Amino acid sequence: RKEVEQDPGPFNVPEGATVAFNCTYSNSASQSFFWYRQDCRKEPKLLMSVYSSGNEDGRFTAQLNRASQYISLLIRDSKLSDSATYLCVVILTGGGNKLTFGTGTQLKVEL
Amino acid sequence: DTEVTQTPKHLVMGMTNKKSLKCEQHMGHRAMYWYKQKAKKPPELMFVYSYEKLSINESVPSRFSPECPNSSLLNLHLHALQPEDSALYLCASSRYFGQGQAGANVLTFGAGSRLTVL
Repeated sequence: RKEVEQDPGPFNVPEGATVAFNCTYSNSASQSFFWYRQDCRKEPKLLMSVYSSGNEDGRFTAQLNRASQYISLLIRDSKLSDSATYLCVVILTGGGNKLTFGTGTQLKVEL
Repeated sequence: DTEVTQTPKHLVMGMTNKKSLKCEQHMGHRAMYWYKQKAKKPPELMFVYSYEKLSINESVPSRFSPECPNSSLLNLHLHALQPEDSALYLCASSRYFGQGQAGANVLTFGAGSRLTVL
């Protein structure tokens, strides 16, 4: 089993739709969680950190489920500009700070 | 504009060439990283420098040689590369490496250097 797994997609959704991605991680000692966004042929950029209590930033909501070892990203009212690959990042802090990227989920928002 | 600057943006080199990739950040970050990314794959960690000392080498072949001249600069020296080394090379930095405080581990990436080895 991979350390951090994501459904690669692509998720093709119409503009205005709500879409959700999950990311599962295998190491229960993982401590920090993030969602990054990567546009085609560009660098990854931090979208949002994921906090234990869940957090929201505009149309984006991130949640953490430690019991089931997954994080999720919900995008409401999706825009054409949301088309990108979404990478989850899981960090094992302490003793090495092992940072692991998920394989990424590709989102295509269409007219 | 990215706060981590990488040069060159594009590099084409032959297998016998020697070239270098450069990375610079002025955010006062004490950790700097090199990642390699192939198409449709996530970034793969190559090296981590913490306080200008090499902390992690992910079993990278010796034809890749990192250097951290000071806290703001990170170089990747390339020699005798293979065509399969063609990829996007990403530099990143974070405030610290290996610390649990919130936000310390957030990576800021440069725009990358796209390398083609002929």
